[in-house]
Amino acid sequence: QVTLKESGPVLVKPKETLTLTCTVSGFSLSNPRVGVSWIRQPPGKAPEWLAHIFSNDEKSYSPSLKNRLTISKDTSKSQVVLTMTNMDPVDTATYYCGRILGTVMVGGIIADYFDYWGQGTLVTVSS
Amino acid sequence: EVVLTQSPDFHSATPSEKVTITCRASQSIGSSLHWYQQKPDQSPKLLIKYASQSLSGVFSRFSGSGSGTDFTLTINSLEAEDAATYFCLQSSSLPLTFGGGTKVEIK
Repeated sequence: QVTLKESGPVLVKPKETLTLTCTVSGFSLSNPRVGVSWIRQPPGKAPEWLAHIFSNDEKSYSPSLKNRLTISKDTSKSQVVLTMTNMDPVDTATYYCGRILGTVMVGGIIADYFDYWGQGTLVTVSS
Repeated sequence: EVVLTQSPDFHSATPSEKVTITCRASQSIGSSLHWYQQKPDQSPKLLIKYASQSLSGVFSRFSGSGSGTDFTLTINSLEAEDAATYFCLQSSSLPLTFGGGTKVEIK
């Protein structure tokens, strides 16, 4: 059974750094076709993809947030960590991690779609 | 960046009605379009992958069609449990992007 679970602070202050951890089970982060993404969803709005990482450590980031994001993984712990610097109230959202399937190509991995999502964690940015 | 425009934003329908939701891409994305259902206070659930491929465990009343720039999600014979917001996602190119969502209400 595939599960993902997000953990991290529920409240951060403006200008602080947010660190979120996604702990997965039911699959291995060393599977070449599988990665983990972070997606956020402000209240009442559409989801927004933030970043993903695959088993070969290939990473991709949203261009609009690239300067603020870092994604990493610890395969032995089945965890993927996202840090977001310089938090602002507009970053208030539910943050999800999701399993993303990919297609292995000669030049790298092509991200396909999210097939499993975590329950999400609401992060509020306020002083 | 590929922009996905969904319509309508909101749709109210009676049970057994057929519901059609569209998703239009700002450039051709082939069949790299996926549909999700999100019920209140839940995480999104994958309904359709690659525009028209059905998934095990998803009710057969959900179907998808389209390619290129125009895509459709159809709910045949709407049921009360289908009250949710539906999103499309494109994976043709990075950044991955979502449509704005269509909220379906049951009358």
